[in-house]
Amino acid sequence: GEQVEQRPPHLSVREGDSAVIICTYTDPNSYYFFWYKQEPGAGLQLLMKVFSSTEINEGQGFTVLLNKKDKQLSLNLTAAHPGDSAVYFCAETSGGNYKPTFGKGTSLVVHP
Amino acid sequence: GGIITQTPKFLIGQEGQKLTLKCQQNFNHDTMYWYRQDSGKGLRLIYYSITENDLQKGDLSEGYDASREKKSSFSLTVTSAQKNEMAVFLCASSIRDTYAEQFFGPGTRLTVL
Repeated sequence: GEQVEQRPPHLSVREGDSAVIICTYTDPNSYYFFWYKQEPGAGLQLLMKVFSSTEINEGQGFTVLLNKKDKQLSLNLTAAHPGDSAVYFCAETSGGNYKPTFGKGTSLVVHP
Repeated sequence: GGIITQTPKFLIGQEGQKLTLKCQQNFNHDTMYWYRQDSGKGLRLIYYSITENDLQKGDLSEGYDASREKKSSFSLTVTSAQKNEMAVFLCASSIRDTYAEQFFGPGTRLTVL
């Protein structure tokens, strides 16, 4: 089946540094992409949903880039702070079924 | 806004026991999901239900049963708990659209002694 490779699995940065998480997908029909954040003891919370026609999306303190040519989706936290410490998941769907494909997650720790 | 409630929050079972996890949502969403989360393995889909009277197997359905009692509730049963099993089970819901984002509950943490 289709796969999403997410890297790195673990990431440790200092407060104020940037943190980049990259997902590489295989399905050429992938059309919708998602970034979720999971804080300790909680479920996943949607950070951003992007469409294949939009390449750059900016949220509060982060930027999502979609490189369709290389089939890569990235999440860039521009100036990380300790509250960003969490596990981040990417997901994608072609829209052909109700089964989005998730990456395996990146555990981010931001040190004060 | 809405909320997804999962009960119990923690579940401790014995090997071979049948265990039931419950999920309720008040988003009025048509579609509901059960995922298993193991450390380092991401999320694996166990069962999903597109509408109230629907039930579909996911990639990890063996060893589990599911039941969509009504639009707002979706239960998962571990048919025979495996010794030393530890995992988090996440329930999610969405509107009835294959492009839709999912809303997740806080999870049920299972430990089998």
